[in-house]
Amino acid sequence: EPEVTQTPSHQVTQMGQEVILRCVPISNHLYFYWYRQILGQKVEFLVSFYNNEISEKSEIFDDQFSVERPDGSNFTLKIRSTKLEDSAMYFCASSVEGAVVKLFFGSGTQLSVL
Amino acid sequence: GENVEQHPSTLSVQEGDSAVIKCTYSDSASNYFPWYKQELGKRPQLIIDIRSNVGEKKDQRIAVTLNKTAKHFSLHITETQPEDSAVYFCAANGGSQGNLIFGKGTKLSVKP
Repeated sequence: EPEVTQTPSHQVTQMGQEVILRCVPISNHLYFYWYRQILGQKVEFLVSFYNNEISEKSEIFDDQFSVERPDGSNFTLKIRSTKLEDSAMYFCASSVEGAVVKLFFGSGTQLSVL
Repeated sequence: GENVEQHPSTLSVQEGDSAVIKCTYSDSASNYFPWYKQELGKRPQLIIDIRSNVGEKKDQRIAVTLNKTAKHFSLHITETQPEDSAVYFCAANGGSQGNLIFGKGTKLSVKP
Protein backbone atom coordinates (compact mmCIF):
# COMPACT_ATOMS: atom_id res chain seq x y z
CA GLU A 1 0.00 0.00 0.00
CA PRO A 2 1.40 3.45 -0.87
CA GLU A 3 2.53 5.53 2.08
CA VAL A 4 3.31 9.12 2.89
CA THR A 5 6.98 9.30 3.81
CA GLN A 6 8.63 11.89 6.02
CA THR A 7 12.25 12.76 6.74
CA PRO A 8 13.96 13.06 9.09
CA SER A 9 12.22 10.96 11.72
CA HIS A 10 13.90 13.02 14.47
CA GLN A 11 15.28 16.54 14.35
CA VAL A 12 17.04 18.31 17.18
CA THR A 13 17.75 22.01 16.80
CA GLN A 14 18.73 25.04 18.82
CA MET A 15 16.19 27.75 19.52
CA GLY A 16 16.28 30.39 16.79
CA GLN A 17 17.52 28.01 14.10
CA GLU A 18 15.66 27.23 10.89
CA VAL A 19 14.41 23.74 10.21
CA ILE A 20 12.93 22.13 7.14
CA LEU A 21 10.75 19.06 7.45
CA ARG A 22 10.29 17.00 4.34
CA CYS A 23 7.44 14.89 3.07
CA VAL A 24 6.71 12.84 0.00
CA PRO A 25 2.92 12.51 -0.37
CA ILE A 26 1.25 9.59 -2.12
CA SER A 27 1.81 10.09 -5.83
CA ASN A 28 -1.76 10.53 -7.10
CA HIS A 29 -2.87 12.70 -4.19
CA LEU A 30 -3.64 16.37 -4.80
CA TYR A 31 -4.19 17.80 -1.31
CA PHE A 32 -1.42 18.10 1.21
CA TYR A 33 -1.48 18.96 4.89
CA TRP A 34 0.72 19.53 7.87
CA TYR A 35 -0.45 18.72 11.36
CA ARG A 36 1.40 18.75 14.65
CA GLN A 37 0.96 16.89 17.90
CA ILE A 38 2.51 18.09 21.13
CA LEU A 39 3.32 15.11 23.37
CA GLY A 40 0.17 13.67 24.91
CA GLN A 41 -2.13 16.13 23.19
CA LYS A 42 -4.42 16.10 20.19
CA VAL A 43 -3.45 16.38 16.56
CA GLU A 44 -3.68 20.03 15.47
CA PHE A 45 -4.19 21.32 11.95
CA LEU A 46 -1.50 23.69 10.64
CA VAL A 47 -2.02 24.17 6.92
CA SER A 48 -3.55 22.71 3.78
CA PHE A 49 -2.08 23.05 0.30
CA TYR A 50 -3.64 22.50 -3.10
CA ASN A 51 -2.73 23.51 -6.63
CA ASN A 52 0.58 24.99 -5.47
CA GLU A 53 -0.87 27.36 -2.95
CA ILE A 54 -2.05 27.43 0.63
CA SER A 55 -5.76 26.67 0.87
CA GLU A 56 -6.21 27.19 4.54
CA LYS A 57 -4.09 27.74 7.64
CA SER A 58 -4.69 27.76 11.35
CA GLU A 59 -3.71 30.46 13.81
CA ILE A 60 -0.72 28.30 14.77
CA PHE A 61 0.68 28.75 11.26
CA ASP A 62 2.13 32.24 11.72
CA ASP A 63 4.80 34.11 9.75
CA GLN A 64 7.51 31.78 11.08
CA PHE A 65 6.03 28.91 9.10
CA SER A 66 6.03 28.35 5.37
CA VAL A 67 5.30 25.47 3.03
CA GLU A 68 6.56 24.66 -0.40
CA ARG A 69 6.25 22.05 -3.08
CA PRO A 70 9.64 22.53 -4.71
CA ASP A 71 9.19 19.75 -7.27
CA GLY A 72 6.61 17.19 -8.32
CA SER A 73 7.09 14.94 -5.34
CA ASN A 74 8.26 16.79 -2.21
CA PHE A 75 6.24 18.91 0.19
CA THR A 76 8.16 20.82 2.84
CA LEU A 77 7.42 22.69 6.04
CA LYS A 78 9.92 25.36 7.07
CA ILE A 79 10.09 26.93 10.49
CA ARG A 80 12.17 30.07 10.16
CA SER A 81 13.24 30.70 13.75
CA THR A 82 12.32 27.85 16.04
CA LYS A 83 10.95 28.37 19.53
CA LEU A 84 10.86 25.96 22.46
CA GLU A 85 7.10 25.61 22.02
CA ASP A 86 7.59 24.35 18.46
CA SER A 87 8.76 21.04 19.92
CA ALA A 88 6.24 18.48 18.73
CA MET A 89 5.64 15.62 16.35
CA TYR A 90 4.90 17.01 12.90
CA PHE A 91 2.76 14.89 10.61
CA CYS A 92 2.43 15.35 6.90
CA ALA A 93 -0.76 14.03 5.29
CA SER A 94 -2.19 13.79 1.83
CA SER A 95 -5.51 12.97 0.23
CA VAL A 96 -7.06 12.52 -3.17
CA GLU A 97 -10.13 14.56 -2.38
CA GLY A 98 -10.54 17.90 -0.67
CA ALA A 99 -13.75 18.57 1.16
CA VAL A 100 -14.60 15.03 2.18
CA VAL A 101 -11.15 13.89 2.98
CA LYS A 102 -9.67 10.52 3.71
CA LEU A 103 -6.28 11.53 5.06
CA PHE A 104 -3.23 9.35 4.94
CA PHE A 105 -0.62 10.36 7.51
CA GLY A 106 3.12 10.02 7.32
CA SER A 107 5.09 8.53 10.19
CA GLY A 108 6.01 11.95 11.53
CA THR A 109 9.07 14.02 12.37
CA GLN A 110 9.78 14.48 16.06
CA LEU A 111 11.14 18.03 16.41
CA SER A 112 12.98 18.92 19.60
CA VAL A 113 13.95 22.56 20.10
CA LEU A 114 16.58 23.07 22.81
CA GLY B 1 -14.69 27.40 13.12
CA GLU B 2 -15.26 23.74 13.91
CA ASN B 3 -14.75 22.47 17.45
CA VAL B 4 -14.73 18.79 18.37
CA GLU B 5 -15.19 17.52 21.92
CA GLN B 6 -14.38 13.91 22.80
CA HIS B 7 -15.21 11.82 25.88
CA PRO B 8 -13.98 10.03 27.86
CA SER B 9 -10.30 10.92 27.92
CA THR B 10 -9.43 7.47 29.28
CA LEU B 11 -11.33 4.22 29.12
CA SER B 12 -10.42 0.89 30.65
CA VAL B 13 -12.32 -2.28 29.78
CA GLN B 14 -11.90 -6.00 30.23
CA GLU B 15 -11.08 -8.08 27.20
CA GLY B 16 -14.30 -9.11 25.48
CA ASP B 17 -16.29 -6.12 26.72
CA SER B 18 -17.53 -3.30 24.49
CA ALA B 19 -16.07 0.19 24.40
CA VAL B 20 -17.89 3.36 23.39
CA ILE B 21 -16.27 6.73 22.67
CA LYS B 22 -18.39 9.80 22.03
CA CYS B 23 -17.73 13.02 20.16
CA THR B 24 -19.66 16.20 19.51
CA TYR B 25 -19.02 18.81 16.85
CA SER B 26 -20.11 22.40 16.46
CA ASP B 27 -20.23 23.17 12.73
CA SER B 28 -23.42 21.91 11.09
CA ALA B 29 -21.66 22.17 7.71
CA SER B 30 -19.27 19.35 8.62
CA ASN B 31 -20.09 16.24 6.63
CA TYR B 32 -17.22 13.81 7.14
CA PHE B 33 -16.33 12.14 10.44
CA PRO B 34 -13.35 9.79 10.59
CA TRP B 35 -11.91 7.89 13.52
CA TYR B 36 -8.19 7.35 13.88
CA LYS B 37 -6.27 4.89 16.03
CA GLN B 38 -2.82 5.90 17.22
CA GLU B 39 -0.47 3.45 18.87
CA LEU B 40 2.36 4.82 20.97
CA GLY B 41 4.91 6.66 18.87
CA LYS B 42 3.17 5.86 15.60
CA ARG B 43 1.14 7.72 13.02
CA PRO B 44 -2.66 8.02 13.27
CA GLN B 45 -4.32 5.27 11.23
CA LEU B 46 -7.82 5.63 9.82
CA ILE B 47 -10.02 2.83 11.16
CA ILE B 48 -13.48 3.89 10.04
CA ASP B 49 -15.25 6.95 8.71
CA ILE B 50 -18.80 8.09 8.11
CA ARG B 51 -20.36 10.70 5.91
CA SER B 52 -23.34 12.81 6.90
CA ASN B 53 -25.74 11.06 4.54
CA VAL B 54 -25.36 7.86 6.57
CA GLY B 55 -26.49 7.21 10.14
CA GLU B 56 -24.44 4.12 10.91
CA LYS B 57 -21.54 2.19 9.47
CA LYS B 58 -20.03 -1.09 10.58
CA ASP B 59 -16.78 -2.87 9.84
CA GLN B 60 -16.39 -6.16 11.69
CA ARG B 61 -16.02 -5.27 15.41
CA ILE B 62 -16.06 -1.53 14.82
CA ALA B 63 -19.11 0.63 14.23
CA VAL B 64 -19.73 4.35 14.06
CA THR B 65 -23.06 6.12 14.54
CA LEU B 66 -23.90 9.69 13.59
CA ASN B 67 -26.70 11.91 14.84
CA LYS B 68 -26.70 15.02 12.69
CA THR B 69 -29.50 16.72 14.58
CA ALA B 70 -27.66 16.46 17.86
CA LYS B 71 -24.26 16.91 16.19
CA HIS B 72 -22.68 13.90 17.82
CA PHE B 73 -21.07 10.70 16.66
CA SER B 74 -19.79 7.64 18.46
CA LEU B 75 -17.33 4.80 18.00
CA HIS B 76 -18.33 1.36 19.20
CA ILE B 77 -15.83 -1.47 19.55
CA THR B 78 -17.26 -4.87 20.43
CA GLU B 79 -15.42 -7.92 21.75
CA THR B 80 -12.39 -5.83 22.62
CA GLN B 81 -8.94 -7.38 22.45
CA PRO B 82 -5.64 -6.27 24.04
CA GLU B 83 -4.43 -5.10 20.63
CA ASP B 84 -7.26 -2.57 20.57
CA SER B 85 -5.36 -0.67 23.28
CA ALA B 86 -4.37 2.69 21.79
CA VAL B 87 -5.42 6.33 21.65
CA TYR B 88 -8.48 6.91 19.50
CA PHE B 89 -9.19 10.29 17.91
CA CYS B 90 -12.42 11.43 16.36
CA ALA B 91 -12.40 14.23 13.81
CA ALA B 92 -14.71 16.35 11.71
CA ASN B 93 -13.98 18.22 8.53
CA GLY B 94 -14.01 22.00 8.67
CA GLY B 95 -13.02 24.86 6.41
CA SER B 96 -13.39 25.14 2.69
CA GLN B 97 -10.81 22.45 1.99
CA GLY B 98 -12.16 20.10 4.60
CA ASN B 99 -9.12 20.04 6.83
CA LEU B 100 -9.76 17.77 9.79
CA ILE B 101 -10.31 19.09 13.29
CA PHE B 102 -9.51 16.45 15.90
CA GLY B 103 -10.87 15.70 19.33
CA LYS B 104 -8.46 15.41 22.26
CA GLY B 105 -8.31 11.64 22.09
CA THR B 106 -9.37 8.70 24.25
CA LYS B 107 -6.78 6.36 25.68
CA LEU B 108 -8.33 2.91 25.58
CA SER B 109 -6.81 0.16 27.70
CA VAL B 110 -8.06 -3.40 27.23
CA LYS B 111 -7.07 -5.66 30.11
CA PRO B 112 -6.58 -9.36 29.42
